[in-house]
Amino acid sequence: EADIYQTPRYLVIGTGKKITLECSQTMGHDKMYWYQQDPGMELHLIHYSYGVNSTEKGDLSSESTVSRIRTEHFPLTLESARPSHTSQYLCASRPRTGPNSPLHFGNGTRLTVT
Amino acid sequence: QKEVEQDPGPLSVPEGAIVSLNCTYSNSAFQYFMWYRQYSRKGPELLMYTYSSGNKEDGRFTAQVDKSSKYISLFIRDSQPSDSATYLCAPGLNTGFQKLVFGTGTRLLVSP
Repeated sequence: EADIYQTPRYLVIGTGKKITLECSQTMGHDKMYWYQQDPGMELHLIHYSYGVNSTEKGDLSSESTVSRIRTEHFPLTLESARPSHTSQYLCASRPRTGPNSPLHFGNGTRLTVT
Repeated sequence: QKEVEQDPGPLSVPEGAIVSLNCTYSNSAFQYFMWYRQYSRKGPELLMYTYSSGNKEDGRFTAQVDKSSKYISLFIRDSQPSDSATYLCAPGLNTGFQKLVFGTGTRLLVSP
């Protein structure tokens, strides 16, 4: 069972609304990540964090923002949701980088913007 | 050109079949290679990883890497319906940010 939790699991929201996707992990991992996954497409890294007060943008341009005030918490915020934001968002963490430190994923938030 | 190419499938096989899932990659700097399994409505979970060219076996699963041809394979022996999932290959860099690059995943369906 995953020790990384994402809420909500499903969210349907109208255009223009502000939303925050929650991600928490109980493993004390420093490194946390947000990925975007569309059907039949690769996982794309949109944000990552090396630790508290550290956040960076990933490979895929995203209009979302993240914060890392506590080690265990890495929320993602969309200030004004648009239909193009419809996707699955996966949060992940790992204790360190390297081949023997796999990513632990949450079960995702499936966002639909109408 | 995508850094990692993977046939999205679906690949349908009967129970007990040997399954071969494959990826190609373009960046010769990749140093380690992971396979993740993703069940429907779940996040990916690590299945296997290997550092170098050659084979690595874990139960019914064998990961194979050929760095000279930039080709990665995952073999599943005696496939079971519980193996039905999407399999994502993810080569990684062992320097700097140590980024993983994911393939699109191959959807596998094992029928009883």
